[in-house]
Amino acid sequence: DMQMTQSPSSLSASIGDRVTITCRASQSISSYLHWYQQKPGKAPQLLIFSASTLQSGVPSRFSGSGSGTDFTLTISSLQPDDFATYFCQQTYSTPYTFGQGTKLEI
Amino acid sequence: QVQLVQSGAEVKKPGASVKVSCKASGYTFSGYYIQWVRQAPGQGLEWMGWVNPISAGADSAQKFQGRVTMTSDTSSGTASMELNRLRSDDTAVYYCAYSSYSDSSFDYWGQGTLVTVSP
Repeated sequence: DMQMTQSPSSLSASIGDRVTITCRASQSISSYLHWYQQKPGKAPQLLIFSASTLQSGVPSRFSGSGSGTDFTLTISSLQPDDFATYFCQQTYSTPYTFGQGTKLEI
Repeated sequence: QVQLVQSGAEVKKPGASVKVSCKASGYTFSGYYIQWVRQAPGQGLEWMGWVNPISAGADSAQKFQGRVTMTSDTSSGTASMELNRLRSDDTAVYYCAYSSYSDSSFDYWGQGTLVTVSP
């Protein structure tokens, strides 16, 4: 199975900070890497698909980059609504594995 | 608009079975795979498998094979996931989802169904 390693597992930041979360795949997954945001008690929401394409309705302060095995999610200027848990996911091959998550806290 | 509406919370005893349903609306149900993902309390996301509504074909993660059945009913636009021989570590929120994109990212999700396995 493809292993997805996300770092850090938790992160403390302030409003207005620039934040980067990384995700590494155990093998090349081309650009089949996606990022989700999850808030407590809610279903995950797609932020970025195909490594760098912003999902409709997602603020432009979110961006994604990378290909192959190394990927990043960047939030350019943290807003109060961004404090949540973020997951990466690969859909290059089944089983479609997720990273373990990054909890972003104030 | 697209909606995936799941069935309500369940409490089951170890060894029992549970069936979670996911009713789709607002898009062509037969055109897209339905995915199933679960999340144990305080834990990450775990992909369980998918069902193809038009062919009824399905695939599941190896750890669930032999214990999970994923089905779909195109007449009602409903997908279902049945998990047998429940254990306490199957306690989780179970989500259905689907992708309208060719890269299989999950852009629509159900609200989740909490399944509690407890003696």
